[in-house]
Amino acid sequence: GQSLEQPSEVTAVEGAIVQINCTYQTSGFYGLSWYQQHDGGAPTFLSYNALDGLEETGRFSSFLSRSDSYGYLLLQELQMKDSASYFCAVETGNTGKLIFGQGTTLQVKP
Amino acid sequence: NAGVTQTPKFQVLKTGQSMTLQCAQDMNHNSMYWYRQDPGMGLRLIYYSASEGTTDKGEVPNGYNVSRLNKREFSLRLESAAPSQTSVYFCASSYDRDQPQHFGDGTRLSIL
Repeated sequence: GQSLEQPSEVTAVEGAIVQINCTYQTSGFYGLSWYQQHDGGAPTFLSYNALDGLEETGRFSSFLSRSDSYGYLLLQELQMKDSASYFCAVETGNTGKLIFGQGTTLQVKP
Repeated sequence: NAGVTQTPKFQVLKTGQSMTLQCAQDMNHNSMYWYRQDPGMGLRLIYYSASEGTTDKGEVPNGYNVSRLNKREFSLRLESAAPSQTSVYFCASSYDRDQPQHFGDGTRLSIL
């Protein structure tokens, strides 16, 4: 089977740094994406890693280790508006098909 | 700047009724996708269309059909709705298979 594991909930304070981990077991792997979703609204794309290493986009960074089937999303200088659900998703084939994790709910407290 | 537009936003059906969910994108994207999201869960792919004229099954295709009407539009049909299909349905599109997916606001569907 195919599975992605990520923590269900994370809590952090404003201004802090938080890391959301994702481990995966899939039949194929082309890349790992991260999406953000506020209150059941439209998911929005945050980052994509196809190769090992760190990708940085402003306050958000994403890391991938293909040998460990592991990645993480790092959020720095947390703001209240970062309170949302974060999903990792694996592209399993050369088709754009994504397998999503169950999501991590991040609560940012003042 | 509409992006991905889904209609309707909300719908209540009775078991056995049929329904078509509409999705249109104005970004000239080649690939389009239909997902469902159940409470506390991630998104699960129902069907996708890698390019105009092609469709293929995702993780959970049973009970659904799709039509890629043209490059802009990708519809999802429930022929005989069942309570297990109560969910939020999201349509997404991407320029190509390895490009970020852009999502619509979703259709909240309840089947009684």
